Amino acid sequence: GENVEQHPSTLSVQEGDSAVIKCTYSDSASNYFPWYKQELGKRPQLIIDIRSNVGEKKDQRIAVTLNKTAKHFSLHITETQPEDSAVYFCAAERAGGTSYGKLTFGQGTILTVHP
Amino acid sequence: DTAVSQTPKYLVTQMGNDKSIKCEQNLGHDTMYWYKQDSKKFLKIMFSYNNKELIINETVPNRFSPKSPDKAHLNLHINSLELGDSAVYFCASSLTWDQPQHFGDGTRLSIL
Repeated sequence: GENVEQHPSTLSVQEGDSAVIKCTYSDSASNYFPWYKQELGKRPQLIIDIRSNVGEKKDQRIAVTLNKTAKHFSLHITETQPEDSAVYFCAAERAGGTSYGKLTFGQGTILTVHP
Repeated sequence: DTAVSQTPKYLVTQMGNDKSIKCEQNLGHDTMYWYKQDSKKFLKIMFSYNNKELIINETVPNRFSPKSPDKAHLNLHINSLELGDSAVYFCASSLTWDQPQHFGDGTRLSIL
């Protein structure tokens, strides 16, 4: 089955700096890669996702890059703000096949943005 | 209105009891899921239903039984609760199984 490794487990940055979180996956057939943000005591919220037919996607201050050959994908947050502080999860899925929406999550990264 | 709503938000009960968690989505989605988030924040899928039909059943003890009376509802019944069942249980839904998943607010289950 799919295995997703996420690094780092904790990340501390100063406000205004950039933050990068990296994930690797094991199943070369995986083709859908969402990122979720979870604030303390709240639900995971989808912040950006990418499918394997593109290499990069941006939405304002956040971007995701995908390297299918190396089987890794990354989340980039620029101009970080204190409200970006949360746990971030990457996930991978073999969408459209017999995985039926089975998302495999990474272990999470605790991002702290210091004012 | 909350798109994916779960009840109750908190559930505190004793070992050996039976309890249920309810989930409803008003998004018109076909697919619904149950996830378990343990004390280390690890998220793992338990079950998935598509149009009331079970399509994912991970290696979950058979004390856990999901039920989908219609495609807008997915409930989770747990028999003979054990200490290790303490976790946050999230319901999620997606338009179809290959579309983005949206989570409910979670149910924090604590076993005494």
